[in-house]
Amino acid sequence: SQKIEQNSEALNIQEGKTATLTCNYTNYSPAYLQWYRQDPGRGPVFLLLIRENEKEKRKERLKVTFDTTLKQSLFHITASQPADSATYLCALRAYNFNKFYFGSGTKLNVKP
Amino acid sequence: SQTIHQWPVTLVQPVGSPLSLECTVEGTSNPNLYWYRQAAGRGLQLLFYSVGIGQISSEVPQNLSASRPQDRQFILSSKKLLLSDSGFYLCAWNVRTLDTEAFFGQGTRLTVV
Repeated sequence: SQKIEQNSEALNIQEGKTATLTCNYTNYSPAYLQWYRQDPGRGPVFLLLIRENEKEKRKERLKVTFDTTLKQSLFHITASQPADSATYLCALRAYNFNKFYFGSGTKLNVKP
Repeated sequence: SQTIHQWPVTLVQPVGSPLSLECTVEGTSNPNLYWYRQAAGRGLQLLFYSVGIGQISSEVPQNLSASRPQDRQFILSSKKLLLSDSGFYLCAWNVRTLDTEAFFGQGTRLTVV
């Protein structure tokens, strides 16, 4: 069966450090992988998209890598701030499907 | 600009009562529309998606149904709610090309008592 796995344990880091979140998937051939941020009681908000033929994507303090051989994506937040504290979700979309499948998310806590 | 409206924000319903959640999108035409459910501390489970008026695909068999009576309107319904239907329901839309993100509504917190 298809699975998208994110670390269910919260990630606690100190302000200014780099946060690295992991998304692993099995039995998918995703065309695109996306990362979203979700704050408590709110809907997810899109952050970054990376295509299967791209190795890395950056946006300001955010960086995403995509390794289709390892079936893994890493999401990095550099110079993290307390305002970055939220749950981060990865989502996959295949070529022939109009659907997004989401992981369970990893909660990030950035401490001042 | 495009916006998505979802209501109500919170809802408490007794077991066995009906449900109707509504979602509308503004500023775009022919969107893909989605209903997701999120249990506490869990990820998003895709319930239904629609690529056009009257076209509904169900991801998991359940006590819920969806309808799309207009291009930018998506409704989630139930005839009789179960306790297990409690959760955070999210409507989303995206443009019909592959490399686009999903835009989510504010969500509805449903508690079945």
